[in-house]
Amino acid sequence: GQNIDQPTEMTATEGAIVQINCTYQTSGFNGLFWYQQHAGEAPTFLSYNVLDGLEEKGRFSSFLSRSKGYSYLLLKELQMKDSASYLCAVRAITGGGNKLTFGTGTQLKVEL
Amino acid sequence: NAGVTQTPKFRVLKTGQSMTLLCAQDMNHEYMYWYRQDPGMGLRLIHYSVGEGTTAKGEVPDGYNVSRLKKQNFLLGLESAAPSQTSVYFCASSESVAGAYEQYFGPGTRLTVT
Repeated sequence: GQNIDQPTEMTATEGAIVQINCTYQTSGFNGLFWYQQHAGEAPTFLSYNVLDGLEEKGRFSSFLSRSKGYSYLLLKELQMKDSASYLCAVRAITGGGNKLTFGTGTQLKVEL
Repeated sequence: NAGVTQTPKFRVLKTGQSMTLLCAQDMNHEYMYWYRQDPGMGLRLIHYSVGEGTTAKGEVPDGYNVSRLKKQNFLLGLESAAPSQTSVYFCASSESVAGAYEQYFGPGTRLTVT
């Protein structure tokens, strides 16, 4: 089985930097995804990590340490529109079907 | 290119009624998925399909059935709805190879069972 933990809520200030952590336990790790989900909308893909290290994509970066079962999503220059839920999801080799197991999400609130 | 679409967007059912949720994708993806999302529970996989004519159980399959008669469509059926099935249902699709192939999600169906 798989177990994924993320903080439930975080609050940050517009223009600041925020780091959202995700820890996981899984057998046969085969990639970690971050999704953004605004209230009442569908999740949208943000980033993917399968090897250790940092992946940067504009204001968003994602880091992975496979030995520690740990990832974080870094959001820079926060904007009000970044207020959303951020979902960490892990893919395992076993079972096939490109299936993902999702964490419960971190609700980020960006304040002025 | 519409991506992933879902029908209907909202529905209210009475306990014991049946209904079918339709998911369609125009990206020629082999894999399709049905999830439910409940407060505090995150997205949980109900059923999935790795190709036309195939289906498989996910994490929470009880009370649901699925069919994939055409590659672009994936149907989720509730034979006898229960209040515990009140949820937001998302359909998703993806490429059939591993790698940075993310799942694309539809807009969701908000179902209430009274």
